[in-house]
Amino acid sequence: AQSVTQLGSHVSVSEGALVLLRCNYSSSVPPYLFWYVQYPNQGLQLLLKYTTGATLVKGINGFEAEFKKSETSFHLTKPSAHMSDAAEYFCAVSDLNNNAGNMLTFGGGTRLMVKP
Amino acid sequence: GAGVSQSPRYKVAKRGQDVALRCDPISGHVSLFWYQQALGQGPEFLTYFQNEAQLDKSGLPSDRFFAERPEGSVSTLKIQRTQQEDSAVYLCASSFEVWSNEQFFGPGTRLTVL
Repeated sequence: AQSVTQLGSHVSVSEGALVLLRCNYSSSVPPYLFWYVQYPNQGLQLLLKYTTGATLVKGINGFEAEFKKSETSFHLTKPSAHMSDAAEYFCAVSDLNNNAGNMLTFGGGTRLMVKP
Repeated sequence: GAGVSQSPRYKVAKRGQDVALRCDPISGHVSLFWYQQALGQGPEFLTYFQNEAQLDKSGLPSDRFFAERPEGSVSTLKIQRTQQEDSAVYLCASSFEVWSNEQFFGPGTRLTVL
């Protein structure tokens, strides 16, 4: 069974500061890893994903994440926070070793707050 | 629009009522997923369709929950005899291929059971 742990349900940073949102996963097979963002009253929007190849992946809005197999981590970073980055962020994992296509297992989410 | 749509966006039901939530996936998408997102939590898998076939319903919390996708496009999630613990946002997602690694999410239906 897969699981995803997001350390810190709330993270607060100042505008212009580094954003670091942590994600650790457990999976019995090489996983696919995702970060989604959710704005209030909206669905989930894909920020970036790791499937194979380069372990540092770049996404939209200046976000990037690095897959570290030895640490079973996929932390999300952004060098400089913007007010518009305030939202809920979800890390998710999927693998192909099940009947449900590429169903996603999500972490509990991290609410990012950006202070002016 | 070209995205996944869901209706209604908000639903208030009295305990014991039946509700039906609709999902219109992106045209041509083979895979369709339903997730349940309780307040302050991440989404949790409910069920999966490949075209009209429901291949996995292991996440449905009870036999009061039923989902269908009879023609392989629109899907309906039905909850019978709603309970307060059913209050959540129900998210639908679709993807183009069975093993596609990107799901496109709808805006969700927020269900409140009084």
